[in-house]
Amino acid sequence: QVQLQESGPGLVKPSGTLSLTCAVSGGSISSGKWWSWVRQPPGKGLEWIGEIYHSGRTNYNPSLTSRVTISVDKSKNQFSLKLSSVTAADTAVYYCAREGVGGYSYGPWGQGTLVTVSS
Amino acid sequence: EIVLTQSPGTLSLSPGERATLSCRARQSVSSNYLAWYQQKPGQAPRLLIYGASSRATGIPDRFSGSGSGTDFTLTISRLEPEDFAVYYCQQYGSSPRYTFGQGTKLEIK
Repeated sequence: QVQLQESGPGLVKPSGTLSLTCAVSGGSISSGKWWSWVRQPPGKGLEWIGEIYHSGRTNYNPSLTSRVTISVDKSKNQFSLKLSSVTAADTAVYYCAREGVGGYSYGPWGQGTLVTVSS
Repeated sequence: EIVLTQSPGTLSLSPGERATLSCRARQSVSSNYLAWYQQKPGQAPRLLIYGASSRATGIPDRFSGSGSGTDFTLTISRLEPEDFAVYYCQQYGSSPRYTFGQGTKLEIK
């Protein structure tokens, strides 16, 4: 059973860079699935940030592409998110997720981690 | 960008009743590319339905998905107390690759 766990600072200063890591256990990150980041501002809906394949190929949300970098570390079986020039609007719960069995959907998901942008 | 609009925003029903949730796309979506999720407070979303009508592993058969083109439906045949949550539809497209609906809150009447 694949499990995902997000980690990283819970507080980031405005104009700084948000950095999160998703550790994958119970399966290989090279399993032929896409690995993704999704965020959810408090009390709001879900927003797809981007995804990565174990080869390093990425796809990003055009609304964030200038600020987002997703990378993979196969040796550690994990992938990471960097979001630069953050503002209060980037305050959200950040989830990592794996492409679902049937494709074109996500499951399983990590439990999520709240990142607050504040000075 | 394919915009998904879910209705109603809030649905108030009693346990044992049937729930029908709608997801409408501004452009046609391949049935293979439509999914539904359930999210409870403080929890991550859970995949319920993929490919518009296929139940994910471990999902009870009271959950069913249907639809094609621009109109999709999630039906819960007989509501259990644990089904009261927020439900999101999601589609896979070109740019961005994934978008979500704004959610339907299913609350106890």
